[in-house]
Amino acid sequence: DVKVTQSSRYLVKRTGEKVFLECVQDMDHENMFWYRQDPGLGLRLIYFSYDVKMKEKGDIPEGYSVSREKKERFSLILESASTNQTSMYLCASSLQAGDEKLFFGSGTQLSVL
Amino acid sequence: QKEVEQNSGPLSVPEGAIASLNCTYSDRGSQSFFWYRQYSGKSPELIMFIYSNGDKEDGRFTAQLNKASQYVSLLIRDSQPSDSATYLCAVKDSGYALNFGKGTSLLVTP
Repeated sequence: DVKVTQSSRYLVKRTGEKVFLECVQDMDHENMFWYRQDPGLGLRLIYFSYDVKMKEKGDIPEGYSVSREKKERFSLILESASTNQTSMYLCASSLQAGDEKLFFGSGTQLSVL
Repeated sequence: QKEVEQNSGPLSVPEGAIASLNCTYSDRGSQSFFWYRQYSGKSPELIMFIYSNGDKEDGRFTAQLNKASQYVSLLIRDSQPSDSATYLCAVKDSGYALNFGKGTSLLVTP
């Protein structure tokens, strides 16, 4: 089974802090994604990556950046956390381009105070 | 903006009945269609995918696709209380990644 591991289940941060969310997958998947999920808004794509050191903006990239230095690891960075970034963050991976079956991590509930 | 629309529910069905979940999409060029189940407080889990018009069955689940009508549905036969969850429809359209609907909440009552 594919395993996608997110480093923290719950995080509480203060406004203005720099926040790192880590995601690791163990199945040699090419593609990795970061979504946020909010009540009434559904899943929204923040950033994605189809290869090491490659990144593409999703639908809501403002206030976020990403890093993919190794194939198995995809990090989401909140440069200066704000209260409107309080959300559930979900990391996902898929095997390769053309295979869009996504496998999700368990999620990180981030609260920014 | 390409849309994937689902009725938010809740859809309530008695145990043992057939639950029918529906999804429409706006991009006629969409090629791949997915259903995810999400239990409260958990992450989405892939349960079905379909690429061609018609029906695809897997156990108690049947996915139905009608590209002409831009409609995809999920049928759950012999519904169980453990099927109570939010069901997310996802579509691979001409965009770069899956486009998700907001989900339909299903409640199966004993």
